Amino acid sequence: GAVVSQHPSRVICKSGTSVKIECRSLDFQATTMFWYRQFPKQSLMLMATSNEGSKATYEQGVEKDKFLINHASLTLSTLTVTSAHPEDSSFYICSASPIDLQLSTDTQYFGPGTRLTVL
Amino acid sequence: GQQLNQSPQSMFIQEGEDVSMNCTSSSIFNTWLWYKQEPGEGPVLLIALYKAGELTSNGRLTAQFGITRKDSFLNISASIPSDVGIYFCAGAGAGSYQLTFGKGTKLSVIP
Repeated sequence: GAVVSQHPSRVICKSGTSVKIECRSLDFQATTMFWYRQFPKQSLMLMATSNEGSKATYEQGVEKDKFLINHASLTLSTLTVTSAHPEDSSFYICSASPIDLQLSTDTQYFGPGTRLTVL
Repeated sequence: GQQLNQSPQSMFIQEGEDVSMNCTSSSIFNTWLWYKQEPGEGPVLLIALYKAGELTSNGRLTAQFGITRKDSFLNISASIPSDVGIYFCAGAGAGSYQLTFGKGTKLSVIP
């Protein structure tokens, strides 16, 4: 149980285009999903916290107009990188916290990540 | 803000050896989690700890939630080549869903 998927796993796009990344909890419902960014050989950096049906909370320094987050249902959150530039190239990872107390709401289960390359 | 110190930063060990890594926090956590990440993949949850003093095992892995609630360790016994990866500790404070991550311990196992 507690499987999180991400799509696509890899994406290459031209500078100036927008890219949408989907994060789905496959076998549980999640009121809260998180979006992280990870640079090579570094730890995960939290970008934003997404709650179903409400606006996402962005970490300091993360542009909300550039990284649009939509948490439309209890199993789906999307991250759209708008007008992507080469410096946005990174590994983006989502995670989800289960509603089900048996899975523990304090625990985050991670997706496999999306490698974004902006040319 | 909360800070997590994870050590060691990297380890090179012989297959069959035991491994120990730990994390210390500048503040109290209510939850300690240990994840393993392999190249190009997302972190995979290994062990979750929710009570001070808790000692939990998952196969050859054992982790403990420190009594002071400011530290945790992860032990791997009888290491094998597939243990290679980066191990992250993460903690959550009271009433918070957000995790603070350590910088990771890169484990290399020499066959």
